[in-house]
Amino acid sequence: EDQVTQSPEALRLQEGESSSLNCSYTVSGLRGLFWYRQDPGKGPEFLFTLYSAGEEKEKERLKATLTKKESFLHITAPKPEDSATYLCAVNNAGNMLTFGGGTRLMVKP
Amino acid sequence: ETGVTQTPRHLVMGMTNKKSLKCEQHLGHNAMYWYKQSAKKPLELMFVYSLEERVENNSVPSRFSPECPNSSHLFLHLHTLQPEDSALYLCASSQELTSAGELFFGEGSRLTVL
Repeated sequence: EDQVTQSPEALRLQEGESSSLNCSYTVSGLRGLFWYRQDPGKGPEFLFTLYSAGEEKEKERLKATLTKKESFLHITAPKPEDSATYLCAVNNAGNMLTFGGGTRLMVKP
Repeated sequence: ETGVTQTPRHLVMGMTNKKSLKCEQHLGHNAMYWYKQSAKKPLELMFVYSLEERVENNSVPSRFSPECPNSSHLFLHLHTLQPEDSALYLCASSQELTSAGELFFGEGSRLTVL
């Protein structure tokens, strides 16, 4: 059974304080690892797709990386508008996503 | 209208009511999904449709009944629900079933069962 575990559950940062979110996974036949952002009261918004170990993707202050067992979402010099819940998901050979529980990020000015 | 729209945004129903959630996607996608998001739990896949045919029923109780009349519309019919069914129900679409990781979500329907 595919499993995705995200840590920490919640993270409080000061504006400008860089940090990383972790996503550990076990999956049979990884076909992709995906990061989403979810704001309160809204549906998740797609951020990145990573397919193989060593791959990196960047968007503004966010950078996602992938190893064979985990992915990191690095946030550089975050701003209050980066506050959201970040979700990680893996896609298996059956094309079905398994989501982690998310990390709630709060960035204070 | 752009993206994925869901109605209603909020719904309160009794355990004996029958109601429906509606989803419409304006992206020209061929696959549509229903997800359930409960407090403190990961997103749970409920149903998957590809080109209007159901391809996945993720062990969902029969009190939830999906309908996909065409590739742009998806419904979730609800009847005799339980209080534990209270959750945010999210509709999503993807270009094809093979691009199931890159989902476009609606804003969800917040359901409360009394």
